[in-house]
Amino acid sequence: AQSVAQPEDQVNVAEGNPLTVKCTYSVSGNPYLFWYVQYPNRGLQFLLKYITGDNLVKGSYGFEAEFNKSQTSFHLKKPSALVSDSALYFCAVRDGPKAAGNKLTFGGGTRVLVKP
Amino acid sequence: GAVVSQHPSWVICKSGTSVKIECRSLDFQATTMFWYRQFPKQSLMLMATSNEGSKATYEQGVEKDKFLINHASLTLSTLTVTSAHPEDSSFYICSATGTTGELFFGEGSRLTVL
Repeated sequence: AQSVAQPEDQVNVAEGNPLTVKCTYSVSGNPYLFWYVQYPNRGLQFLLKYITGDNLVKGSYGFEAEFNKSQTSFHLKKPSALVSDSALYFCAVRDGPKAAGNKLTFGGGTRVLVKP
Repeated sequence: GAVVSQHPSWVICKSGTSVKIECRSLDFQATTMFWYRQFPKQSLMLMATSNEGSKATYEQGVEKDKFLINHASLTLSTLTVTSAHPEDSSFYICSATGTTGELFFGEGSRLTVL
């Protein structure tokens, strides 16, 4: 079975400061890890993914995430947050390349509030 | 990039009526589509997986007779909420994947049952 945990319900950060959204995962095989962002009453937008290779993954809108196998973590980071980054962020995991037909398991979500 | 469209974006219906939500892949053939339900301030809950031309696979606890899913073509899947009740009010999101394995999400459909 695969699972994802996002320990923080909400993260508050001042504009211009670094932003970190935490995610830990559990899978039986090799993890495929994803970050998505959701704005109010909208679907999910893809930010980045880790499949294999470099542990530091760069994605959209200046976001990046670091895969840490020993800590089973995939924290999302942005060096300098913008007010427009305020949204709901989801971490997701898939167990291997074609687990259960591409089925993703989502974390509970972390609401990010960037204050001007 | 690939686009997945959901329609309607918003729907309000009376209790006891049925509501159909469409999910279309606009520029690729979606061999598999997923339907999720999201309650306010909560995560996405996978309801079912549908493959073109076959019956949907429902997750445990999801009533298949309540939430009818049809994936009749490679570009269209529909979710019908039958005999809707206020507790069915939610945000429903579909996602689709094709031969590349990439997963694309629709914009979601908010259902309010009065």
